[in-house]
Amino acid sequence: DGGITQSPKYLFRKEGQNVTLSCEQNLNHDAMYWYRQDPGQGLRLIYYSQIVNDFQKGDIAEGYSVSREKKESFPLTVTSAQKNPTAFYLCASSSRWGPQHFGDGTRLSIL
Amino acid sequence: SQQGEEDPQALSIQEGENATMNCSYKTSINNLQWYRQNSGRGLVHLILIRSNEREKHSGRLRVTLDTSKKSSSLLITASRAADTASYFCATDLTLTENSGGSNYKLTFGKGTLLTVNP
Repeated sequence: DGGITQSPKYLFRKEGQNVTLSCEQNLNHDAMYWYRQDPGQGLRLIYYSQIVNDFQKGDIAEGYSVSREKKESFPLTVTSAQKNPTAFYLCASSSRWGPQHFGDGTRLSIL
Repeated sequence: SQQGEEDPQALSIQEGENATMNCSYKTSINNLQWYRQNSGRGLVHLILIRSNEREKHSGRLRVTLDTSKKSSSLLITASRAADTASYFCATDLTLTENSGGSNYKLTFGKGTLLTVNP
């Protein structure tokens, strides 16, 4: 079945460590997005990509980096510069004119 | 910044009752979308209403849009325990547009937590 796969489901980061969250889609969508969700809050956009080899900062990009080398993949790296990384991270993709399809998220915590 | 704001923040009803959630936004939109999120899961798209539409139905869902008041409502009729979830409205900002369609980004509200008691 087509969909979006995020891994891992749970991730723990040590102080000063960079960690990478995986997002893969087989929906043939051009656009992909990364969101951060804090408890009781809505989603905030970290980065988005409209096409391969191109991406743009969202509203809260500081401390994060992304790459888009393949249409199917949009990994997010949480760097040591992100001082408050504990959150639920959601990846989404969309076709032109269509709604966004979401993965089941990665919950990141600090050790 | 969060464009959409849902109201109420939490709603608790009995099975079989109707649930109404409201969303207000600040700037002009192309479309407004409603999503559902079960605890610990990703969001699932429910319905999209375009700015030139006033009402849309999908099964037990009814969405209205009033662009003059910059508000939308989501009505779930004959609610079930399985409807328990958080519901978010999202407004869009077009990034690029051509004859092939448009890419856009969404701005989400903080959501309404709906609890349906059996």
